[in-house]
Amino acid sequence: KQEVTQIPAALSVPEGENLVLNCSFTDSAIYNLQWFRQDPGKGLTSLLLIQSSQREQTSGRLNASLDKSSGRSTLYIAASQPGDSATYLCAGIINTDKLIFGTGTRLQVFP
Amino acid sequence: NAGVMQNPRHLVRRRGQEARLRCSPMKGHSHVYWYRQLPEEGLKFMVYLQKENIIDESGMPKERFSAEFPKEGPSILRIQQVVRGDSAAYFCASSPYAVGTEAFFGQGTRLTVV
Repeated sequence: KQEVTQIPAALSVPEGENLVLNCSFTDSAIYNLQWFRQDPGKGLTSLLLIQSSQREQTSGRLNASLDKSSGRSTLYIAASQPGDSATYLCAGIINTDKLIFGTGTRLQVFP
Repeated sequence: NAGVMQNPRHLVRRRGQEARLRCSPMKGHSHVYWYRQLPEEGLKFMVYLQKENIIDESGMPKERFSAEFPKEGPSILRIQQVVRGDSAAYFCASSPYAVGTEAFFGQGTRLTVV
């Protein structure tokens, strides 16, 4: 059974710091991987999609990488801001047609 | 192009009643997925549908839950005879194709069973 682990589970940092969020899969046969953010009581906002032929994607201050050989993905957030405070979820498609989600990293960036 | 639309946003049902959750995918998207998020837990896959077809329902409880995506109209997730354990946030996602494309999520329907 595929499991997805996100480390750390929670993170609290002062603004301006560069952050690394980690995601790992028990089964490294990942087809593609997507990072989302979820604000309290809200839906999911897609941040980055890394498709099967890619190794990383960048959008603004966000950079996500995928190492298929180890089944690990990293989300890098540069120069964090209070508005980045949210729960970050990674999800992968592994040999199926559905996203398997991690339990998330709850990020708080304080001024 | 409006995003994935779910309604209602909040739904309160008494035990034993039926709950109907609606999801309109993004324009041009023919693949719909339903997920459930229990309090303090991650999102769990429930069902994957294309127009008029259920492709994968491996995450659906065997009883009381059903889903459809008709040729016309929104996708419906139906929960019969709700129990307190059904209280959760139910999210719908859509994509233009299946594997390999970006999935977009709605704002969710928060079901509370009293």
